[in-house]
Amino acid sequence: GNSVTQMEGPVTLSEEAFLTINCTYTATGYPSLFWYVQYPGEGLQLLLKATKADDKGSNKGFEATYRKETTSFHLEKGSVQVSDSAVYFCALRGSGAGSYQLTFGKGTKLSVIP
Amino acid sequence: SQTIHQWPATLVQPVGSPLSLECTVEGTSNPNLYWYRQAAGRGLQLLFYSVGIGQISSEVPQNLSASRPQDRQFILSSKKLLLSDSGFYLCAWSVPPETQYFGPGTRLLVL
Repeated sequence: GNSVTQMEGPVTLSEEAFLTINCTYTATGYPSLFWYVQYPGEGLQLLLKATKADDKGSNKGFEATYRKETTSFHLEKGSVQVSDSAVYFCALRGSGAGSYQLTFGKGTKLSVIP
Repeated sequence: SQTIHQWPATLVQPVGSPLSLECTVEGTSNPNLYWYRQAAGRGLQLLFYSVGIGQISSEVPQNLSASRPQDRQFILSSKKLLLSDSGFYLCAWSVPPETQYFGPGTRLLVL
């Protein structure tokens, strides 16, 4: 079955530091890949997505590139802010017929300190 | 634009009591609807999904049930809550094969 593995947290960074959160996946075919963000006490918000190999998703300064050769979708940001403190989830949706479900990683908590 | 509502936002219930959580979506027709649970310190687990009125698929055996009485309404229920039902419940919608969008969630504490 499908699975997503993302780096264990928590991650603590100083403001303006570079962020990388690793995400690798196992899936057959050509899944779509997503990063969601959850701010404290809130639901999940879509941060970015990529639907085919070599696609780069980007939003709010965050980027992730769909690497089929390494089955990875690492999240990066060049300069984090305190407001980026949240839990980040990597997820995939399979490519088969009727593949509605998302498979999530366990989440990585990011804390950015001034 | 599409919006998704969940209520209540927070709920504290005694063990053995019934449960009803509601989710409604506005601004779209015939969406797929989903219920997820997020236990403390853990990832998200898909509980149920629905591709149409009256059509419910269950992903895990459990103490909960779901119903879809209207196109844009999804209800999560239980007849008797267990302590292990505590968690953060998230509803989501999608128009296949597109992205899932999540509601604000309901925090349930069973005492």
